[in-house]
Amino acid sequence: GAVVSQHPSRVICKSGTSVKIECRSLDFQATTMFWYRQFPKQSLMLMATSNEGSKATYEQGVEKDKFLINHASLTLSTLTVTSAHPEDSSFYICSAQRARSNEKLFFGSGTQLSVL
Amino acid sequence: RKEVEQDPGPFNVPEGATVAFNCTYSNSASQSFFWYRQDCRKEPKLLMSVYSSGNEDGRFTAQLNRASQYISLLIRDSKLSDSATYLCVVNEGYSTLTFGKGTMLLVSP
Repeated sequence: GAVVSQHPSRVICKSGTSVKIECRSLDFQATTMFWYRQFPKQSLMLMATSNEGSKATYEQGVEKDKFLINHASLTLSTLTVTSAHPEDSSFYICSAQRARSNEKLFFGSGTQLSVL
Repeated sequence: RKEVEQDPGPFNVPEGATVAFNCTYSNSASQSFFWYRQDCRKEPKLLMSVYSSGNEDGRFTAQLNRASQYISLLIRDSKLSDSATYLCVVNEGYSTLTFGKGTMLLVSP
């Protein structure tokens, strides 16, 4: 079955550093990938939709200059949390959907970011 | 604004009980529907797709009511391991997905 690989699974960093999270679709092409954030005991919140070869679409309230998304190929999207602060500590998950498909999403295993 | 609504719960049920969750969606043009299960601090995992004719997988039954714009998930003979958050996901067309906020289920001995 289709697999989405997300790395790293856990990051602990100092305030002010930037953190890059990778999301790869391993055996299918994903023209669109989604990035979510989940705070403890809360639901998944969509941050942005990443489209291959074009600019990401950000949800209201998500700072595009702080959460940089690059989707340079059909199998890789990256999320960079720039100048991370403690309030950015959260669980970040990516998902991908096969190109031109209405089928289910395939999720990465998530990245737990802790900013000290 | 297109929305997917779920009762956040928690639903507290004893082992062996039957429990049902509903999820309403606002976009009548929505094309496909799914139930995902999410354990704490883990990625959501697909539980089942929801088909127009309804579908069953073991103890789990999913139904779609397009006229009333809701989907449901029924869990029979609840197990302790069923404790999780159940997310309703609506696909409104290519690459347009909307998540419900999830319903928390707690199954107790």
